[in-house]
Amino acid sequence: DAKTTQPNSMESNEEEPVHLPCNHSTISGTDYIHWYRQLPSQGPEYVIHGLTSNVNNRMASLAIAEDRKSSTLILHRATLRDAAVYYCTPSGGSQGNLIFGKGTKLSVKP
Amino acid sequence: DAGVIQSPRHEVTEMGQEVTLRCKPISGHDYLFWYRQTMMRGLELLIYFNNNVPIDDSGMPEDRFSAKMPNASFSTLKIQPSEPRDSAVYFCASSLRGQGDRNEQFFGPGTRLTVL
Repeated sequence: DAKTTQPNSMESNEEEPVHLPCNHSTISGTDYIHWYRQLPSQGPEYVIHGLTSNVNNRMASLAIAEDRKSSTLILHRATLRDAAVYYCTPSGGSQGNLIFGKGTKLSVKP
Repeated sequence: DAGVIQSPRHEVTEMGQEVTLRCKPISGHDYLFWYRQTMMRGLELLIYFNNNVPIDDSGMPEDRFSAKMPNASFSTLKIQPSEPRDSAVYFCASSLRGQGDRNEQFFGPGTRLTVL
């Protein structure tokens, strides 16, 4: 299973963009990169995923390095509700297991 | 849909007692996952089912843990006997195959287990 490395914590100001990095240098060629987040006292929730190309959805953008050894989750305008632990997790196939690391705890200051 | 439902939300028990955690997945989903979350080890996959059949239980810590899925709308995770080191938040998640590579798992609110 691919191992991921993320900063333990990050801080952001409200209304500013946030770039959350993830290193997954051992990812296999067929693994997708998924991002989930976990709000306080809740279960994780899906944010975004991608394989090789950059991806956008209503929640965030995902920038994937050309060599796929790293990716960055981008929150374009952080809100207080975005304060959560963010996990990047490579997974194989349509039902590949999600392997969660410790994630990055994002704090958003008003 | 109410989402994934777990019960109880909180459980406090004494060492040696049997504990049963329950999960109702989202209707129509064909995959069900059990996870455990602790500060030390983070979020770990314990076992997952496809169409009620256990596929991978390699994450189950030891024989004290067992999981069943008697039908598509119900699963249990049982710990017998429980130990203080089993204290954690246990999450159930479900997903639907056929969503391509999205692999979105929907998590329940979790059961916080404390073993004294």
